[in-house]
Amino acid sequence: DVVMTQTPVSLSLAIGQPASISCKSSQSLVHSDGKTYLSWILQRPGQSPKRLIYLVSKLDSGVPDRFSGSGSETEFTLKISRVEAEDLGVYYCWQATHFPLTFGSGTKLEIK
Amino acid sequence: EVQLVETGGGLVQPGRSLKLSCVASGFTFNNYWMSWTRQAPGKGLEWVASITNSGGSTYYPDSVKGRFTISRDNAQNTLYLQMNSLRSEDTATYYCTVGIAAPYWGQGVMVTVSS
Repeated sequence: DVVMTQTPVSLSLAIGQPASISCKSSQSLVHSDGKTYLSWILQRPGQSPKRLIYLVSKLDSGVPDRFSGSGSETEFTLKISRVEAEDLGVYYCWQATHFPLTFGSGTKLEIK
Repeated sequence: EVQLVETGGGLVQPGRSLKLSCVASGFTFNNYWMSWTRQAPGKGLEWVASITNSGGSTYYPDSVKGRFTISRDNAQNTLYLQMNSLRSEDTATYYCTVGIAAPYWGQGVMVTVSS
């Protein structure tokens, strides 16, 4: 199984500060079709998860452009250029290249 | 607007069965794979099952293989998860998601396995 290792476990940031979350996979996430099925999901407190980014760097509709995703093969990063209050919650990376699909363990973002 | 509404959760004893349903709307259901993902209380996310758009192929992790069955009724825009031989570790909120890259998630349904 592909192991997704996310760091840090938690972040405590003030409004306006940048954020960066790392996700490393135990094997390449490049699919045989050439695409890399790495997504980022945010779960706000008490809510269902919501996808923010897919295929490493493509923003879902309605996601603010302060969010960005980057990376390749086995190393990926989610960045928030300036944290806002609505960004608090738990961020997960996950891969849909290989079965079984697997998630990172999550990064909790708290607002100072 | 895409909507996914899960039902069928509840309290069940270990070893018993339960069937979840997910009614989908707002998109062409039979064009998409569908999946179930779960989250144990206070824990992270775990993929549970996926099914192709035709229903011809299904996929499971080892943790549920042989006990859970995903199926769909494209005429009714409904996804199902039949859960047999339930264990305490199956206690979780179960989410219905579109595809395997999960652009959309339902509100979730709670399943508690306890005697």
